[in-house]
Amino acid sequence: AQTVTQSQPEMSVQEAETVTLSCTYDTSESDYYLFWYKQPPSRQMILVIRQEAYKQQNATENRFSVNFQKAAKSFSLKISDSQLGDAAMYFCAYRSQTGNQFYFGTGTSLTVIP
Amino acid sequence: DTGVSQDPRHKITKRGQNVTFRCDPISEHNRLYWYRQTLGQGPEFLTYFQNEAQLEKSRLLSDRFSAERPKGSFSTLEIQRTEQGDSAMYLCASSWLTDTQYFGPGTRLTVL
Repeated sequence: AQTVTQSQPEMSVQEAETVTLSCTYDTSESDYYLFWYKQPPSRQMILVIRQEAYKQQNATENRFSVNFQKAAKSFSLKISDSQLGDAAMYFCAYRSQTGNQFYFGTGTSLTVIP
Repeated sequence: DTGVSQDPRHKITKRGQNVTFRCDPISEHNRLYWYRQTLGQGPEFLTYFQNEAQLEKSRLLSDRFSAERPKGSFSTLEIQRTEQGDSAMYLCASSWLTDTQYFGPGTRLTVL
């Protein structure tokens, strides 16, 4: 089974600064999808950004961007101009091209300091 | 589009009792997923439906767990003879032809 590793249980960032959350994964497949989900306290999980493995260009969504390194099996999330509302648990997830299961990491708790 | 809804949001039960949770996916979504999330962990896959067919089940899903999706609309997850180890957040997600899953708010189960 694929594994997703988030090595940073907790991170903090000053408001308006930039923070990068790390994610690595293990797979033998060449085609797959990667996701970052955000789970605010006591609220539902929402999609932040997704990346198709066949695309070399890194995905970007407003203040959120990824650094996808396929050979290194690394998929980090960069949050620019951090806002108080960015405080949440962030999960990295993997889905194969052909499978239906999502594999999630253990999450990184992000604190934004005013 | 009202999003994925789950009912109840919280459930407290005594060990040995049966509980049932409901998930209403986004109306046009044909795929529905159940996950379990314990404190400090990411969601773990339990089972998956495409329309009314249950196509995948995790080995985490013991015989005490059963899920249905009659008519390919809402889904129910039943846990029989609950155990304290079943205490967790149960998440439902749905998707259509894209790979993006949209999650509901979850049902938090506490087994006393």
